[in-house]
Amino acid sequence: GQNIDQPTEMTATEGAIVQINCTYQTSGFNGLFWYQQHAGEAPTFLSYNVLDGLEEKGRFSSFLSRSKGYSYLLLKELQMKDSASYLCAVRGEDALNFGKGTSLLVTP
Amino acid sequence: DAGITQSPRHKVTETGTPVTLRCHQTENHRYMYWYRQDPGHGLRLIHYSYGVKDTDKGEVSDGYSVSRSKTEDFLLTLESATSSQTSVYFCAISESRTQIKNIQYFGAGTRLSVL
Repeated sequence: GQNIDQPTEMTATEGAIVQINCTYQTSGFNGLFWYQQHAGEAPTFLSYNVLDGLEEKGRFSSFLSRSKGYSYLLLKELQMKDSASYLCAVRGEDALNFGKGTSLLVTP
Repeated sequence: DAGITQSPRHKVTETGTPVTLRCHQTENHRYMYWYRQDPGHGLRLIHYSYGVKDTDKGEVSDGYSVSRSKTEDFLLTLESATSSQTSVYFCAISESRTQIKNIQYFGAGTRLSVL
């Protein structure tokens, strides 16, 4: 089975850095994905990790440790528009399984 | 943005009526998926398709059926809608199921209310 855990809510200040953690237990591992979802909108793809280490893409970075079943999404230079839900998803042997999402509120 | 269109975008229906949601893609991707999203739950897979006329069940398939007669269209049918099927339904597509090509891209969603 699959178990994916991430914090329910986080709050951070505009201009700051925030780290959103995701831990998982899966039968098989074929990649970890991060998606961003603004309220009332579709999830949009942010990052993909299949090997251990850090993937950087502009203000967003994602880290993976397969041995620890752990990932994080790092958001730098926070902007108000970054207020959204961030979904961690793990592909096991077959399907893509999603965590419940972390709702991030960026305050002025 | 991936060319994915869901219709209708909003629907209100009554318990016991049949409902069909449509997902249309212009990317010629092989894989198509239907998810539902509810408060307190992550996105949950209902059914998916890996080609024309090839479909399989997901985690929460009871009460739902699907059909894919053309590469570009994937239909989700609620044979007899129940209030527990009130949800936001998302269609997704992916090029493949291997490595980077298994990134799923989502449609805008259909908000369904069953009264």
